[in-house]
Amino acid sequence: EPEVTQTPSHQVTQMGQEVILRCVPISNHLYFYWYRQILGQKVEFLVSFYNNEISEKSEIFDDQFSVERPDGSNFTLKIRSTKLEDSAMYFCASSEQGSYGYTFGSGTRLTVV
Amino acid sequence: GQNIDQPTEMTATEGAIVQINCTYQTSGFNGLFWYQQHAGEAPTFLSYNVLDGLEEKGRFSSFLSRSKGYSYLLLKELQMKDSASYLCAGITGTASKLTFGTGTRLQVTL
Repeated sequence: EPEVTQTPSHQVTQMGQEVILRCVPISNHLYFYWYRQILGQKVEFLVSFYNNEISEKSEIFDDQFSVERPDGSNFTLKIRSTKLEDSAMYFCASSEQGSYGYTFGSGTRLTVV
Repeated sequence: GQNIDQPTEMTATEGAIVQINCTYQTSGFNGLFWYQQHAGEAPTFLSYNVLDGLEEKGRFSSFLSRSKGYSYLLLKELQMKDSASYLCAGITGTASKLTFGTGTRLQVTL
């Protein structure tokens, strides 16, 4: 079964450093997403991406965050200057068209120290 | 606003049937997902309802009533491995954003 692949699985970084989280969506999918889940809390939407541009972003997705699809397969989330409160599990997801085939990756656990 | 409510925790016995309810207060959802999430892992897809009624998939069924803002997930013949969190999520807009509830932690006991 096709998978959404995320790397790394764990990342520890110092406060103020930049991190890039990487995702390879399912190959025929057109919509890409990032979500995060702070430990013990609910999964929260960050951003959706379609046709090489952001479709929608949440209030969490401020100027410190950016997304990019640098080539035909990767989809990245960059946090420019990490804060302690950015520590969370970050999930990438993709879908074929809207709700169809909505699949999550296994996540990157980001710890900011 | 887009609010999704689920019970925080439930306990059920192996072999039994359990129903996990989800209510929401929005007219903007195009459909409702149910996901299973084991601790530290990604949500995995269980079901998707876009129309009113029951969708059955093996041991799992999901029901939606759009007029009542209500859904439930029914798990039959419970197994120990079904111990997990169950997340209800509404999908909105052309951007297909998911809004999740806080999840229901199900503990299956012997």
